[in-house]
Amino acid sequence: GDSVTQMEGPVTLSEEAFLTINCTYTATGYPSLFWYVQYPGEGLQLLLKATKADDKGSNKGFEATYRKETTSFHLEKGSVQVSDSAVYFCALSDRGQAGTALIFGKGTTLSVSS
Amino acid sequence: GAVVSQHPSWVICKSGTSVKIECRSLDFQATTMFWYRQFPKQSLMLMATSNEGSKATYEQGVEKDKFLINHASLTLSTLTVTSAHPEDSSFYICSVQRTEWFFGQGTRLTVV
Repeated sequence: GDSVTQMEGPVTLSEEAFLTINCTYTATGYPSLFWYVQYPGEGLQLLLKATKADDKGSNKGFEATYRKETTSFHLEKGSVQVSDSAVYFCALSDRGQAGTALIFGKGTTLSVSS
Repeated sequence: GAVVSQHPSWVICKSGTSVKIECRSLDFQATTMFWYRQFPKQSLMLMATSNEGSKATYEQGVEKDKFLINHASLTLSTLTVTSAHPEDSSFYICSVQRTEWFFGQGTRLTVV
């Protein structure tokens, strides 16, 4: 079945450092890909998404490019801030149709210090 | 503002008792809601899909009689953990889908 694999954390960085969180997927079809973020005490929030190959999702300085050839959707940010400290989840939807649940990776905890 | 409200955010119960978790869609009608379970350092595992007015669809390996799901209205789905045991201790999250997926804040269940 479909699955998502993301790098294990925790990832600890200093402010303004470059961030990469790796995510690869396995899917039989052409999934939509997502990054969700969970700040302490809050629910998961959509960070960015891409629905087809070579699409780049971006939001709040974060970027991820849908790479079909490597089945990857790595999350990057050029300069992290303390406020980026959170848990990041890579996810996929095999169709994106109504009533279809998301499939998640294990989550990666990011801790940014000043 | 929040789209999905989940309650309670944490609960402690004794072994053998039942616990009910509520998931409310705040500003739209959701015919389908999803229930996930998250173990420490694990991914969110889909437990079941809750369908308004009909039976929930459970994922393989999830006990239907242990985790009772009721989706009685278009804005409310409940997950009841029956005869809870310490191994049921976990983080439970509900989700609804509109144009995108929205998530509740989660419920930390501890069974002692």
